[in-house]
Amino acid sequence: GEDVEQSLFLSVREGDSSVINCTYTDSSSTYLYWYKQEPGAGLQLLTYIFSNMDMKQDQRLTVLLNKKDKHLSLRIADTQTGDSAIYFCAPGQGAQKLVFGQGTRLTINP
Amino acid sequence: KAGVTQTPRYLIKTRGQQVTLSCSPISGHRSVSWYQQTPGQGLQFLFEYFSETQRNKGNFPGRFSGRQFSNSRSEMNVSTLELGDSALYLCASRRSEGRSTDTQYFGPGTRLTVL
Repeated sequence: GEDVEQSLFLSVREGDSSVINCTYTDSSSTYLYWYKQEPGAGLQLLTYIFSNMDMKQDQRLTVLLNKKDKHLSLRIADTQTGDSAIYFCAPGQGAQKLVFGQGTRLTINP
Repeated sequence: KAGVTQTPRYLIKTRGQQVTLSCSPISGHRSVSWYQQTPGQGLQFLFEYFSETQRNKGNFPGRFSGRQFSNSRSEMNVSTLELGDSALYLCASRRSEGRSTDTQYFGPGTRLTVL
């Protein structure tokens, strides 16, 4: 089955850019999602990218996809304290049965 | 439009008991999926329901079951609870009008503690 790997922790200074990386194994993944989870809350969809795209930008968020290396990244520009959360990547063949990484806990330092 | 709602938000049970969790999807969404989140195993897919039928199933024992009603609301049941069933149970809904690609929206979850 699909295996998804993420670094567990990332710490950045407020105002810097954050880059969260994800690698996956299933080359047939057609949609790759990024979700955000704040403490005590469910998952909030941030953005997603189709597998035929290399990059997608949405305000402060930039998603890069290297399909050959099965590597996905999420860049958050001008990171703010409100961005503190756990970020999950979830590749899948559509939204039917998402496979999640372990999540990256993003901590913002003042 | 109201989001996905889950009840109850918190639950404490003892080993051997059973529990039923409820999920109301976003209006107009016909698919409901359930996930279990634990610190050790992360987020794992339990099952998906569409039009009152289970459409996909994850790798969980038969103690975990679910159903969906004609109004798309879904319930999940866990029988003979074990300590390892302590987790955050998340429900997600999507429109699912014949497309596999529409987005899943998650509820806040039900935190189950088994003592």
